[in-house]
Amino acid sequence: GAVVSQHPSRVICKSGTSVKIECRSLDFQATTMFWYRQFPKQSLMLMATSNEGSKATYEQGVEKDKFLINHASLTLSTLTVTSAHPEDSSFYICSATHPASRTHNEQFFGPGTRLTVL
Amino acid sequence: ILNVEQSPQSLHVQEGDSTNFTCSFPSSNFYALHWYRWETAKSPEALFVMTLNGDEKKKGRISATLNTKEGYSYLYIKGSQPEDSATYLCAFTSGTYKYIFGTGTRLKVLA
Repeated sequence: GAVVSQHPSRVICKSGTSVKIECRSLDFQATTMFWYRQFPKQSLMLMATSNEGSKATYEQGVEKDKFLINHASLTLSTLTVTSAHPEDSSFYICSATHPASRTHNEQFFGPGTRLTVL
Repeated sequence: ILNVEQSPQSLHVQEGDSTNFTCSFPSSNFYALHWYRWETAKSPEALFVMTLNGDEKKKGRISATLNTKEGYSYLYIKGSQPEDSATYLCAFTSGTYKYIFGTGTRLKVLA
């Protein structure tokens, strides 16, 4: 149990276009999902916390108009990078909390998406 | 600013060797320390959730210890195998859902 999928695994796009990344919890309902970003040789950095049916909470320094997060159902959250630029090229990974693991805040991760903006 | 550090950044060991690496985290406002194993192109796999000072947890050949007073956790792998090759991540939480990750230790086990 506690499987999280992410799609696509890799995307290359032109500067100025928008890219949508999907994160799904396959065998459980996730009320909370998280989006992280990792630049080369750096740690995973939390971008935003996504709660089903409500607005996402963004970390300081993350532009909410650039990184649109939608959590429309208990099994799906999407991250849309709008008007992507080369500096948005990064590795994006999502995670979800499992209801049975709430006491320890355990998160289950997707495999990530490598975004390259040309 | 909360900082989590892992060392070494990378290491190579021979098959059969035992190895260990360190995760250092803030000793104040501790709630939990998570260890993950992350293979390329796969999802990070949860290994341990550690919550109490002095905790020792074991899963097969992998074990971990926790010292919350001095702010460190050790991960041990006994008799390393090529399939243990991965990046090992630790993440600190202080009572919220927010994870603060280290940069990871990349382990390569040579056959």
